[in-house]
Amino acid sequence: LAKTTQPISMDSYEGQEVNITCSHNNIATNDYITWYQQFPSQGPRFIIQGYKTKVTNEVASLFIPADRKSSTLSLPRVSLSDTAVYYCLVGVRLTGGGNKLTFGTGTQLKVEL
Amino acid sequence: DTAVSQTPKYLVTQMGNDKSIKCEQNLGHDTMYWYKQDSKKFLKIMFSYNNKELIINETVPNRFSPKSPDKAHLNLHINSLELGDSAVYFCASSQDLWEQETQYFGPGTRLLVL
Repeated sequence: LAKTTQPISMDSYEGQEVNITCSHNNIATNDYITWYQQFPSQGPRFIIQGYKTKVTNEVASLFIPADRKSSTLSLPRVSLSDTAVYYCLVGVRLTGGGNKLTFGTGTQLKVEL
Repeated sequence: DTAVSQTPKYLVTQMGNDKSIKCEQNLGHDTMYWYKQDSKKFLKIMFSYNNKELIINETVPNRFSPKSPDKAHLNLHINSLELGDSAVYFCASSQDLWEQETQYFGPGTRLLVL
């Protein structure tokens, strides 16, 4: 089962745009792509969700190419409080049939002044 | 009011013991989950219940047994604890079982097996 992979870590400065990519080669045909944010000692929290092309909400944008084998979370003008671990969540096709909810490997984002 | 709550927050115990973690959600959701997060921060689904019925049961040792007395509660009982069970366990809930449903996570239970 191919992993749903993300870069381990990213560093940025306040005010910059940050793009975090998730690779999900085996994404199930009908499944959505969801991104979560996790602060230390807390559970993950929903950020954004999409199926294809581009989705934008008040905190982030999500870009999904036509083949849906990857997705990119874009955080505009990050601040110190955006320092967290970011996860993608997708349904992955199983060889024997069916899907499995799979979190990406997680990306630790560190924002500095 | 906390939407998804878990007890205890911390759990330190000896190998071989049996322990339980409780989870409650007050969101009126039909689906609840248990996840395990290891020391490398990898999150893996363990179980999912929909309307008190077991839906997802990943490759988890038989020592782990979930129980859902009602839609608002999903407890996790672990028998004969092992060192490798040390992790953070998260409970979550969603309106329904569909993958596009937003999941709401509890604060986690930090289990340390000595």
